[in-house]
This record gives sequence, structure tokens and C-alpha cells, in this order.
Amino acid sequence: GAGVSQSPSNKVTEKGKDVELRCDPISGHTALYWYRQSLGQGLEFLIYFQGNSAPDKSGLPSDRFSAERTGGSVSTLTIQRTQQEDSAVYLCASSQGLGSNEQFFGPGTRLTVL
Amino acid sequence: AQSVTQLGSHVSVSEGALVLLRCNYSSSVPPYLFWYVQYPNQGLQLLLKYTSAATLVKGINGFEAEFKKSETSFHLTKPSAHMSDAAEYFCAVSHSNYQLIWGAGTKLIIKP
Repeated sequence: GAGVSQSPSNKVTEKGKDVELRCDPISGHTALYWYRQSLGQGLEFLIYFQGNSAPDKSGLPSDRFSAERTGGSVSTLTIQRTQQEDSAVYLCASSQGLGSNEQFFGPGTRLTVL
Repeated sequence: AQSVTQLGSHVSVSEGALVLLRCNYSSSVPPYLFWYVQYPNQGLQLLLKYTSAATLVKGINGFEAEFKKSETSFHLTKPSAHMSDAAEYFCAVSHSNYQLIWGAGTKLIIKP
């Protein structure tokens, strides 16, 4: 069965450019999460979508970061005017809901901002 | 606010030795607890989870963890380490109506 997929797997960009990262969750999963993992760090929560509810954006580090989820499925994380400190692995996860439900992770997108 | 503390950013054990990775949480109500593993250059996968059933939880690859409410701990153990266990391990906590709170992770190093 298909798991969570993310694209691209690697992205190198120049400072100041915009980037879009894509996540395809597991079919039927209502919850979708974006995390950032910097070198040697744990997971930093960015944003969370649950069904048709308004997303929880409390983890977005600045207004350069935004995300949307179309049709309750695919999600795109957009970083505008990238900075070198945005370099990290961006992980997407999906689950059937909250609480006790396991989150299934994609392989991540490694973003390098030069 | 909930928080998760993993003691030791790096733990080194010899092959065949006991693995013990520590996780303590702060929570005012009984939580759900998770251990995830991240192998090099891969995404995270669930090792095991505690959801208020048995306090001793068995997971994949011979790992287990015990929920101790009095100590607010959920330490991960494996009786005998294997080279393939080298990875980063993350502890996480959640409640019924919210997302996971993650620990900073512990890198497990296996010495031959």
C-alpha cells in the first residue's frame, strides 16, 4: 500500500527564492502535519490540518511560511524569500485523527538554501 | 503545558548489551505515549505506543517500553543491542484532542 510521499526529495535554492514542498498523505487520513527537522535537532511542529477545520498554524516560524491542503488530501508547504536558516529536512505526516492515532511519516524533503 | 524530556542526546552501547533510552514527560492527565525510530536518511516510523492498556508495551524489533505513572516515565529498552538498531529515537506524548509533543531525540550508537 502507498505510504506518505513527499516531493522533491532534495531541493537546493538560492537565498530569496520561493520554494514549494509537496506532501501526498495516505488515502483516507484526515489529519496532516508538517514538521521541520534541523541538523541535530528534534522535530519542530509547523502546521496541522484536520478534516475541514481551520488549520493550526501556531508552529509556523514567520509569515514567510504558509501551507494549504486542497480537497482534504494533498498539501503544499510554501516558503517565500528563503533564508539560510530555513535549511532543514521538512517532514510530512498523516494520521487517521488525533490522540492515540499513529502518525505515518513521509521520507522528507531536504531543503538547502545557499 | 506538556513537555517531553529525553535524557542524553547520544547513547552508546556495545553490541549485545542492554539498550536503555530514557523519556520523561510532564502531563496533568494520563497521556498517550509513543516511541518513533528514524534510521539514517529515512522518515520516522512507529516503534510502539502506550494507550492506557497494559503498562508494558512491546514494539517492533524486540523493543519494549514501560509506562510508570508515578515516575512520569516511558523508557525504551531492548535486552540485546544489534548493529541494525543504530538510529535516532524520539519519544512523544499526546492527549485525546491534540497533536504530538516531541522529545529532542536520542542517537543510539552501537559499538562492535
